[in-house]
Amino acid sequence: ILNVEQSPQSLHVQEGDSTNFTCSFPSSNFYALHWYRWETAKSPEALFVMTLNGDEKKKGRISATLNTKEGYSYLYIKGSQPEDSATYLCAFFGNEKLTFGTGTRLTIIP
Amino acid sequence: GAVVSQHPSRVICKSGTSVKIECRSLDFQATTMFWYRQFPKQSLMLMATSNEGSKATYEQGVEKDKFLINHASLTLSTLTVTSAHPEDSSFYICSAKGPGLVDTQYFGPGTRLTVL
Repeated sequence: ILNVEQSPQSLHVQEGDSTNFTCSFPSSNFYALHWYRWETAKSPEALFVMTLNGDEKKKGRISATLNTKEGYSYLYIKGSQPEDSATYLCAFFGNEKLTFGTGTRLTIIP
Repeated sequence: GAVVSQHPSRVICKSGTSVKIECRSLDFQATTMFWYRQFPKQSLMLMATSNEGSKATYEQGVEKDKFLINHASLTLSTLTVTSAHPEDSSFYICSAKGPGLVDTQYFGPGTRLTVL
């Protein structure tokens, strides 16, 4: 059974502050690491698909890094806004399927 | 990004009845669709993978006779929960992707099933 862990489970951040959270995954049989943002009552929204060790991707105020040798990825949000409140999921893609972590629930305090 | 719809969003049924959930890719051809289930405070768990025109591949522990999956076209997959029981109550969500191995999976909004 693959173990994909995310920490922290939940996080409260003041509007305007920056934050980051972690996804750890197996370093063997790695093909890709996916990040999603999931707002309540909506579809999970794809943020990044990362495949190469050392990869860094950016989308607006959100960025992510990838270390496949040690099996972790960080997601960073710069200058948090209320609309960033959501659950952020990472998923390890290996053996042709996604294995999800339980997510980090982010709440931005106005 | 691509859009995937899922219907119904919420369904309540009596024990013993069957429930069908539809998953549609609206603006792209989905060669592969996936069905997941999520129990409270747990992660999304893959139930099965279906390729258009082929039989679905079920994950270990998922009963294929209970969870019938049909992927008859490149834009539609259905999950039928047969003879539903209260323990089948859960959140079911589908995703769809194109032919590339590491292509993004696009998710529907999910279906909350409650079996009385």
